[in-house]
Parts: sequence; structure tokens; C-alpha cells
Amino acid sequence: KNEVEQSPQNLTAQEGEFITINCSYSVGISALHWLQQHPGGGIVSLFMLSSGKKKHGRLIATINIQEKHSSLHITASHPRDSAVYICAVNFGNEKLTFGTGTRLTIIP
Amino acid sequence: KAGVTQTPRYLIKTRGQQVTLSCSPISGHRSVSWYQQTPGQGLQFLFEYFSETQRNKGNFPGRFSGRQFSNSRSEMNVSTLELGDSALYLCASSLAIPPDTQYFGPGTRLTVL
Repeated sequence: KNEVEQSPQNLTAQEGEFITINCSYSVGISALHWLQQHPGGGIVSLFMLSSGKKKHGRLIATINIQEKHSSLHITASHPRDSAVYICAVNFGNEKLTFGTGTRLTIIP
Repeated sequence: KAGVTQTPRYLIKTRGQQVTLSCSPISGHRSVSWYQQTPGQGLQFLFEYFSETQRNKGNFPGRFSGRQFSNSRSEMNVSTLELGDSALYLCASSLAIPPDTQYFGPGTRLTVL
């Protein structure tokens, strides 16, 4: 069964802390996406990656194909980073399968 | 460049009615995907269209249907609405067929009474 698991489900941290959100998947994929959803529903695509590492500002995404695992890191976290972060993968048939999301709260 | 737009943004219907939701992709994008988001099931894939052809369909009953027009605009239709169809319906567009970066619209929040 094609599954995507995220951890933790909820994460509360102080402003400035280094944040790590994890995503594991069950079988081989063609691509993995990290998405951000703010209250109100809008979803923004942060990264799409199939190997290695990508960086955008304070956000870093890594993927280990052999271990079927990806991490999203946020450096110098800020209250505006508070959101739900969702991992999604394209399994072989290409449609997106989503994780359950990680609710991140950054306290000033 | 304008983002993905969805209309209407909010909709209230009663059981048994039908509803049509509309999505206009980013100009130049030919792939449109639809997703349903509920508190219980999270985000689930509904359909994906590319150049007016449905390429993929999720595990939803036949009451859920969709189409894409020659200008890449897409509509989805839900017939015989059930209470469980209450959800946020999201549309996303991409330049190429998946896997490709998805650009999401703001969603249509459907409430079925």
C-alpha cells in the first residue's frame, strides 16, 4: 500500500529554534513535495525534490531515496512560520498522496 | 502573473443537490488537479487533467466528476450531495504533467446541510 507518514503531528517551539519535520514513505517515488498551509486554507508549495537537498531562505529540504525518508528543516524559526506542513509524494502512477501534516506553532 | 483562481469561494447546499466548482489555472499551465480536504481524511486526490484529458482519478464515487476545457479551465461536479461531501475543495495547476510543482488555488469551502 502506498503510504506517507509524517512526524511529529504537532510541534511547538520557541522563536529562533531549529525545526525538523520528518516524512517517510512506503515504496519508490518519482518526487516528494513539501507544502505549507496557513489557517484559512491556502496551500503553498515549498519544495519538490527527487534527490539530494534544496534550500530556500531559512528552509531546507532533504531526501534519502534509499531510506525512503525526507526532512524539512527551518532555521531561526519565526512566529510567521506557524502553519501546517504537509509532505506529499508522487508514487509511480503520479497522483499525489499526502501525509497527515505537522502543525507547527512558534512562540515569540 | 495571476495565480490559480477558484469560484465560488464558499457554497452552502442541501443534501441531494448538485454543485459545480470552477478552477482557472495559471496562464500557460495545462495540468489541473483537484483535491478534497476534510478534518477526518486530510487531503485526498480527486482528478488530474492535462490538455482536456483525465489522466488520473482518485478513489471517489461516480457522483464526483470533472472536465477540462480547451483554455485549461476546469470544473468539477458533485451530484446528489451527501453530508460527508462537506469539505474544502482545492484546485492546483502545473506547467507540465506530474510530477511537477503544483500551484494551489484558495479553495472552495462547500457545506452540505
